[in-house]
Amino acid sequence: DTAVSQTPKYLVTQMGNDKSIKCEQNLGHDTMYWYKQDSKKFLKIMFSYNNKELIINETVPNRFSPKSPDKAHLNLHINSLELGDSAVYFCASSVRRFGELFFGEGSRLTVL
Amino acid sequence: RKEVEQDPGPFNVPEGATVAFNCTYSNSASQSFFWYRQDCRKEPKLLMSVYSSGNEDGRFTAQLNRASQYISLLIRDSKLSDSATYLCVVPSGNTPLVFGKGTRLSVIA
Repeated sequence: DTAVSQTPKYLVTQMGNDKSIKCEQNLGHDTMYWYKQDSKKFLKIMFSYNNKELIINETVPNRFSPKSPDKAHLNLHINSLELGDSAVYFCASSVRRFGELFFGEGSRLTVL
Repeated sequence: RKEVEQDPGPFNVPEGATVAFNCTYSNSASQSFFWYRQDCRKEPKLLMSVYSSGNEDGRFTAQLNRASQYISLLIRDSKLSDSATYLCVVPSGNTPLVFGKGTRLSVIA
């Protein structure tokens, strides 16, 4: 009965590959997010969706494409992976736009 | 001034000590503020919300100084289990919550 769940938790892949991370929340929240936490531990917003509508896209390369099939799900697809994409990607949700965030456990991506 | 700035630390304190962290922010229009806690290799979790001048929850006190644009987090009677990174979070206009880089706390026996 995890509130915000992400899969996979760990992902190791080669440069140039395409990979996806999935996120689901069972809290009934309207807003979902993807954050990236790099090796320096800085947590930075990537995307935000409100009721399946993209509301924030923070200068992320277009190799990253989020998809929200419904308001409980927000997936992240990454094309042509690069070394610099290695990071922990956190999914989060909130009751309303930019309210208290509930995070998933993170997906640790390593690009070799 | 950066949107949200925190002293990265680390703060190494003995058990039982009182420790305080500051966080400065640039957007004077921000109305609500948050402190999150992140343990090593875990997700951030909400510690406290600050909507007016401050908030207190047990050993933890958060205070807001709007004139100087900073919020502080005070931890009294530190426990070993308080060791973590503390993230200051500030909504900034029409953008999602902006996280500071965090302050690392180590409580030593």
